Amino acid sequence: QKEVEQNSGPLSVPEGAIASLNCTYSDRGSQSFFWYRQYSGKSPELIMFIYSNGDKEDGRFTAQLNKASQYVSLLIRDSQPSDSATYLCAVRGYQKVTFGTGTKLQVIP
Amino acid sequence: DTEVTQTPKHLVMGMTNKKSLKCEQHMGHRAMYWYKQKAKKPPELMFVYSYEKLSINESVPSRFSPECPNSSLLNLHLHALQPEDSALYLCASSQPILRDVEAFFGQGTRLTVV
Repeated sequence: QKEVEQNSGPLSVPEGAIASLNCTYSDRGSQSFFWYRQYSGKSPELIMFIYSNGDKEDGRFTAQLNKASQYVSLLIRDSQPSDSATYLCAVRGYQKVTFGTGTKLQVIP
Repeated sequence: DTEVTQTPKHLVMGMTNKKSLKCEQHMGHRAMYWYKQKAKKPPELMFVYSYEKLSINESVPSRFSPECPNSSLLNLHLHALQPEDSALYLCASSQPILRDVEAFFGQGTRLTVV
């Protein structure tokens, strides 16, 4: 079982819709959870992190964490074409951050 | 300042060359990381330095040699690389161990081995 799993996509949503990205992880001792956005050929850019169960909102982005289910998600409201990128879920365990394979999001104008 | 600076941005090297990648941060972070990322793949952890000491080596071949001369600098020395080592090399930093701090990435060095 992979440590961090994501659906590779592509996930296509129309402009203005809500994009929902999901991630599961295997290590129950994981402490914090990150969502990075990566444009093609660029380095990952942190957009959200969460470490407590529940929701965390920042602008159009909401991260949701359920430690019992070992599940973390990212909601993007009012999706824009500029949101088109690969979204990497990352999980911090002891001393290291492990990435999922990423979900490619396409926002259709 | 939330910046991690990597140099060079691009590097082309032959299989017999010796080169070094450099990474610098001034955020006071005491954990620094090297990741390797191939096209359409997630970053793969190579090394972790915590308080300037190597704490994790993910079974990386010895042709990659990390060095952390001080708390702000991280180097990756390259020698006798293979074409399959061509990738984007990412440096990141964070506070170690604490749960609620994020890792910041540099812009990466795109390495091509010919």
